[in-house]
Amino acid sequence: QKEVEQNSGPLSVPEGAIASLNCTYSDRGSQSFFWYRQYSGKSPELIMFIYSNGDKEDGRFTAQLNKASQYVSLLIRDSQPSDSATYLCAVKGNSGGSNYKLTFGKGTLLTVNP
Amino acid sequence: NAGVMQNPRHLVRRRGQEARLRCSPMKGHSHVYWYRQLPEEGLKFMVYLQKENIIDESGMPKERFSAEFPKEGPSILRIQQVVRGDSAAYFCASSPGEQPQHFGDGTRLSIL
Repeated sequence: QKEVEQNSGPLSVPEGAIASLNCTYSDRGSQSFFWYRQYSGKSPELIMFIYSNGDKEDGRFTAQLNKASQYVSLLIRDSQPSDSATYLCAVKGNSGGSNYKLTFGKGTLLTVNP
Repeated sequence: NAGVMQNPRHLVRRRGQEARLRCSPMKGHSHVYWYRQLPEEGLKFMVYLQKENIIDESGMPKERFSAEFPKEGPSILRIQQVVRGDSAAYFCASSPGEQPQHFGDGTRLSIL
């Protein structure tokens, strides 16, 4: 059973702080990693994807991947109240029929307090 | 800049009725995926389709559920003889190939 684990939260940070969201996965063959943001009652919105070990930065967002530890994280710098949402970690494999389906964690609820 | 379009946004059915959910992928996307999100649960993969072909339906219940993506028109997820446990948000995603998937706004299905 391929699993993706996230802390459900809620994670509460003050405005302007760095929010750190973490995710672990069980399938060592996973190749692609995604972070989606989902506001309540809305669709998941892709905000970052990462394929290689290391860091990938896009604006206030940084995704970090460590395949040896099977760990992926998302950092949000200068957090804003509008960042308050559930953040979904998703993983995609590379073979055995898993190179297209996304396996999602249950999400971490982030609250940014003004 | 049309994204993935799903309709209806909300659908109410009584037990035993049929539910039809529609999804039009983003322009240029030929790959469609359906996911289900139960309350307090993560998104779960149901089925992956390309035009006129079901590639993987391993996440879809064997009975009552079916999906299609015809040559013309939207992809359809069909649930026959709905039961209360089918109440969920159903999301469609599309991609042009092995690229990140983009999601529609979903259909919230409620069973009375």
